[in-house]
Amino acid sequence: GAVVSQHPSRVICKSGTSVKIECRSLDFQATTMFWYRQFPKQSLMLMATSNEGSKATYEQGVEKDKFLINHASLTLSTLTVTSAHPEDSSFYICSASSGFGQPQHFGDGTRLSIL
Amino acid sequence: GQQVMQIPQYQHVQEGEDFTTYCNSSTTLSNIQWYKQRPGGHPVFLIQLVKSGEVKKQKRLTFQFGEAKKNSSLHITATQTTDVGTYFCASGRTTDSWGKLQFGAGTQVVVTP
Repeated sequence: GAVVSQHPSRVICKSGTSVKIECRSLDFQATTMFWYRQFPKQSLMLMATSNEGSKATYEQGVEKDKFLINHASLTLSTLTVTSAHPEDSSFYICSASSGFGQPQHFGDGTRLSIL
Repeated sequence: GQQVMQIPQYQHVQEGEDFTTYCNSSTTLSNIQWYKQRPGGHPVFLIQLVKSGEVKKQKRLTFQFGEAKKNSSLHITATQTTDVGTYFCASGRTTDSWGKLQFGAGTQVVVTP
């Protein structure tokens, strides 16, 4: 149980393109989903917290107009990187939790490369 | 803000040996979670500790939460090549009600056959 599906797994696109990443909880309802960014050999950096039916809360230094988050249902959250540039290239990974104090279950991540 | 410091950053282990990774905080933690991320993979939840002095075992892995709830450790006995990966500790933020986690820097484990 507790499977989280994230796609696409890899995106390569030109600078200026907007990229949408989906995160789905397949076998449980996720009251909260989290979006992280991970640089090579580094820890996970929380970008934003997404709650179903409400606006996402962003961590300090994360541009909300750059990284649009939508949590339309208890099983789906999306992250859109708008007008992506090479510095946005990274490994983006989502996680989902069924409630406060519960473990987070991670998707496989999306490797984004902006040319 | 609340931070969890994790040491060592790298751990080279001979197969069959034991090792320990540590997670420390200057503030009291409400809970501690441990995750394992294999190379090229995503973090996978291992365990959660909540109580002061709590010790939990999963086969060759022993997890401990300090009496003061400011530190935690993961001890692996008789290391196998399947133990390769990065082990992260993570703690719930005390000022948060959504379940946000603060991740440590991770301990990257390399196992030599």
